Amino acid sequence: GESVGLHLPTLSVQEGDNSIINCAYSNSASDYFIWYKQESGKGPQFIIDIRSNMDKRQGQRVTVLLNKTVKHLSLQIAATQPGDSAVYFCAEKWDGAGNMLTFGGGTRLMVKP
Amino acid sequence: GAGVSQSPRYKVAKRGQDVALRCDPISGHVSLFWYQQALGQGPEFLTYFQNEAQLDKSGLPSDRFFAERPEGSVSTLKIQRTQQEDSAVYLCASSLAGRIGGETQYFGPGTRLLVL
Repeated sequence: GESVGLHLPTLSVQEGDNSIINCAYSNSASDYFIWYKQESGKGPQFIIDIRSNMDKRQGQRVTVLLNKTVKHLSLQIAATQPGDSAVYFCAEKWDGAGNMLTFGGGTRLMVKP
Repeated sequence: GAGVSQSPRYKVAKRGQDVALRCDPISGHVSLFWYQQALGQGPEFLTYFQNEAQLDKSGLPSDRFFAERPEGSVSTLKIQRTQQEDSAVYLCASSLAGRIGGETQYFGPGTRLLVL
């Protein structure tokens, strides 16, 4: 099938380890951030989001950290599983741009069994 | 529950042909978005609807691209006189609304367009 992200940065981790995927966003006025997971041949799948008035949010096995000082976003995945292998995108939204999302370049996560 | 659906999933067109891509958003979702995703890149915004109103079409690359959502539910993205550079995955997303609490955009599987 079609491969998403032929030349993306790649993070390779061992099954069971924790993964940290980083993203630098572009606009200090952004007020909403979201992480998506995209498997080959599929559309982006929502993982977790965070608003700019927070610096941390936790979900099931995932945590998003927001550092507005350096415009940095990270996604932490605990106990990474083979099913987590995919391309991960961060996206940002700011009121000045309406409701569109602006996506980062993506990171490929490969989980070794 | 039912997510965003798109059809066709794959489309091969000869250069110069017109194509129409369909999006069925999640029921009750007010906002609908179209994005274009080139191979190896993140999605890029094309256009946005709130109900039947097209509020932003700043991302449409040329006047060959046209989108509509006449009844505020199903949307169609039309590309006229397709060119090879139009080859990409076209993604549709919907959300409850553009305000706090309803911002999360849920994506469909995409339509993979190949222009020969």
